[in-house]
Order: sequence, then C-alpha cells, then structure tokens
Amino acid sequence: NAGVTQTPKFQVLKTGQSMTLQCAQDMNHEYMSWYRQDPGMGLRLIHYSVGAGITDQGEVPNGYNVSRSTTEDFPLRLLSAAPSQTSVYFCASSYGRGHTEAFFGQGTRLTVV
Amino acid sequence: AQTVTQSQPEMSVQEAETVTLSCTYDTSESDYYLFWYKQPPSRQMILVIRQEAYKQQNATENRFSVNFQKAAKSFSLKISDSQLGDAAMYFCAYRRPFYNNNDMRFGAGTRLTVKP
Repeated sequence: NAGVTQTPKFQVLKTGQSMTLQCAQDMNHEYMSWYRQDPGMGLRLIHYSVGAGITDQGEVPNGYNVSRSTTEDFPLRLLSAAPSQTSVYFCASSYGRGHTEAFFGQGTRLTVV
Repeated sequence: AQTVTQSQPEMSVQEAETVTLSCTYDTSESDYYLFWYKQPPSRQMILVIRQEAYKQQNATENRFSVNFQKAAKSFSLKISDSQLGDAAMYFCAYRRPFYNNNDMRFGAGTRLTVKP
C-alpha cells in the first residue's frame, strides 16, 4: 500500500513564487490535513478537509490555499512564497472524525530564499 | 483551544535502560484521544501508541507504555529496554472526537538520545 504520498520531497523557491505541494492517499480516508513543522513548535495545522468539496482553516492558514475535488487528493498551494514559509510540510489522512490516528506522508522540506 | 505541552526538549537514556517522556495537555472535553508519535531522522511520523480518554487502562505496545492520568491531564510515555533505534523526536498529540474541527494538536517534541 502506498499510504499517503507527498511530492516533492524537497523544494527551493524564491520569494514571491507560487507552487503546489501534492498529497494523495489511497486508503479512502475522509479526513485529510496539512501541517507545518518548525523547530521548537511541533506540528501546526494549516488547513484540513472532512471530505471532497469541504475544507476549512486550521491554526496557521495565512498564505496557503487548499481544495479537495476528490477523496484521494488534497493539494496545498503557496500563493506568494515568503521566507517565513520555510518549513517542513506534512500531509496526513485518517478515517473519520477523530477516533483514529493520522497517517502521515514523508514530508516536504521547503526553503524560501 | 487545546494545548499540548512537552516540558523536556531533550532526554537521554542508556541502552537497555528505561526512560519516561512527559506530556501534559489542557482541555475542557471529557472524551478525546491521545497519541505518541516517533519521528526518526528520516522525517517519517510513526505512531507509537494511542490512548482513548474513556479507557482507564493504560495502553501498552511491547516496550512502550503510557501513564494516563486523566484528572491531572497527563500522558507520559515509558520506553523500557531502550534500543539505539529508539533515538528520535517524540511528539505527544491530542485529538477531539466527532467534531468537524477535529484537528490534532501536537506538543513541541522531545528529542531522545540513546547512548550505547
């Protein structure tokens, strides 16, 4: 099983550039989410989705957009990259509404210069 | 909002010894879920153990066990017979059930070093 697949694994952007981080899961999970991991701060929720066509903001949504057109895919868009968005990004998915653990992708290390 | 606190940024343990990682959380909910995740240098997030708040019995998974104190809002992880492969960042996480906004809240992490 592929589980949760994130691409790319590494990315360097210039300030002001835009890009999309891809996330796909093959477990038919309803719930998908994006986190960013920064030193000393753990993982913080950016956006999440409870099903196709439904998304909502998490703790740190500014500068990011998401959409969920299918159950499998949940891309994260950086509209105009800033150095403050330098981080490791994780996509995660889980079955339902909170009664199970989240399954994580392998993360994307993004550097904005 | 729920918060999760890991007060030990770094811990070290001798191989074959036992170590306990601390975690406290703040919530007004009575039903929720708690997790410990391991993050080795590969960056992959790996579930170590899970605890449902309605269960009084502490969860165990082989060498890993928790001490869940609901009244004190404490959820510590005990690693017995530590192995070199246990060296990693460990994150405590909290999750609410059955709400639309059931995001998982993480602590800042504890870096565990295992000395041979």
